[in-house]
Amino acid sequence: DAGITQSPRYKITETGRQVTLMCHQTWSHSYMFWYRQDLGHGLRLIYYSAAADITDKGEVPDGYVVSRSKTENFPLTLESATRSQTSVYFCASSRDSTYEQYFGPGTRLTVT
Amino acid sequence: DQQVKQNSPSLSVQEGRISILNCDYTNSMFDYFLWYKKYPAEGPTFLISISSIKDKNEDGRFTVFLNKSAKHLSLHIVPSQPGDSAVYFCAARGSGGGADGLTFGKGTHLIIQP
Repeated sequence: DAGITQSPRYKITETGRQVTLMCHQTWSHSYMFWYRQDLGHGLRLIYYSAAADITDKGEVPDGYVVSRSKTENFPLTLESATRSQTSVYFCASSRDSTYEQYFGPGTRLTVT
Repeated sequence: DQQVKQNSPSLSVQEGRISILNCDYTNSMFDYFLWYKKYPAEGPTFLISISSIKDKNEDGRFTVFLNKSAKHLSLHIVPSQPGDSAVYFCAARGSGGGADGLTFGKGTHLIIQP
């Protein structure tokens, strides 16, 4: 029972590079989410998806792109990484009408 | 504009005593509230939740209280155990339908002293 996984767990990249963070869940949950966690801010929603091919912006979407061609995968792409995107990124999923979201282990991204 | 506030960055409690973590919110459209627990280098894990139509929900050692008029909720842990040492996040969801994610507080670091 793998649940929800994220890869890579740690990533260092340079300013201006494109980087993709992967998220995979095995529960067939309809909804998936991306959050970032920064000191002094708690967790903030970047993007979410209600189903395959349906995505929408959260609180802090600028500089990020998402796609969801399959229910189980929800990759997050930083098209041109900036230092301000150094953070810990969490992916989460939930069933349709229940509100509990289940989180992955996180990806720590450092942009130099 | 912070809609969910956890005003205590940290809290130290003796093992066996009650831990009370507080959370305030400003958005009256929130209809569901959750508490998550987070250990270092792990993702948050769901702990307990409460709907806005209730004022209390209990699950073992954990009880969440909701005071809608004061826009305040609290998490009680009784008795506190060493494994409870973690960061606790209060989160809220709006009632607009859809899946617009959760709004989180900044977290409270609970430290259980032996």
